Amino acid sequence: AQSVTQLGSHVSVSEGALVLLRCNYSSSVPPYLFWYVQYPNQGLQLLLKYTSAATLVKGINGFEAEFKKSETSFHLTKPSAHMSDAAEYFCAVSPLVSQGNLIFGKGTKLSVKP
Amino acid sequence: DSGVTQTPKHLITATGQRVTLRCSPRSGDLSVYWYQQSLDQGLQFLIQYYNGEERAKGNILERFSAQQFPDLHSELNLSSLELGDSALYFCASSVDFLTGELFFGEGSRLTVL
Repeated sequence: AQSVTQLGSHVSVSEGALVLLRCNYSSSVPPYLFWYVQYPNQGLQLLLKYTSAATLVKGINGFEAEFKKSETSFHLTKPSAHMSDAAEYFCAVSPLVSQGNLIFGKGTKLSVKP
Repeated sequence: DSGVTQTPKHLITATGQRVTLRCSPRSGDLSVYWYQQSLDQGLQFLIQYYNGEERAKGNILERFSAQQFPDLHSELNLSSLELGDSALYFCASSVDFLTGELFFGEGSRLTVL
């Protein structure tokens, strides 16, 4: 069964600092991988997705993620944090290529200090 | 605005009762998904419909049921409610069931007292 593990339920960074949110996946087949963001009192919004094309994926709001098969990782990064990045971030994997439902990690809450 | 509409936004009810949550997908999207979000379980996939037919089933309790109507809106029915059913219920939609790019509504927050 496919699964996703997000290391760290809370991450705090200073404004302007590097953001690194970790995600490791377990999959017996090449996965589709996603990062979603949830702002307070809102639904989830797609940040970026990996679907076996380029291993470095660029998303919205300056975020990017790199697929590393050897490490089964798909970490999310942003060079310089902004106050507006404070939110909860979810990594997700698609269990089967032919199905769209996603398996989500537990989420990482990002705080940005001024 | 994702284009996915969920009603009601908030619902408070008592144990043993039954509620219905409604979802209107984005225009043109054929797939609808239901997820439950709680503090202890995180985001749990419940069920998926594609063009009116059940496509995939996740951790959905037997007390819960769903359907997708010909106009593609979907309803999630929760019955014999328990305290532990208190959660945020999200509906999401996608144009097909291949890409995994889901568009989420703002959720329906259910409180069972």
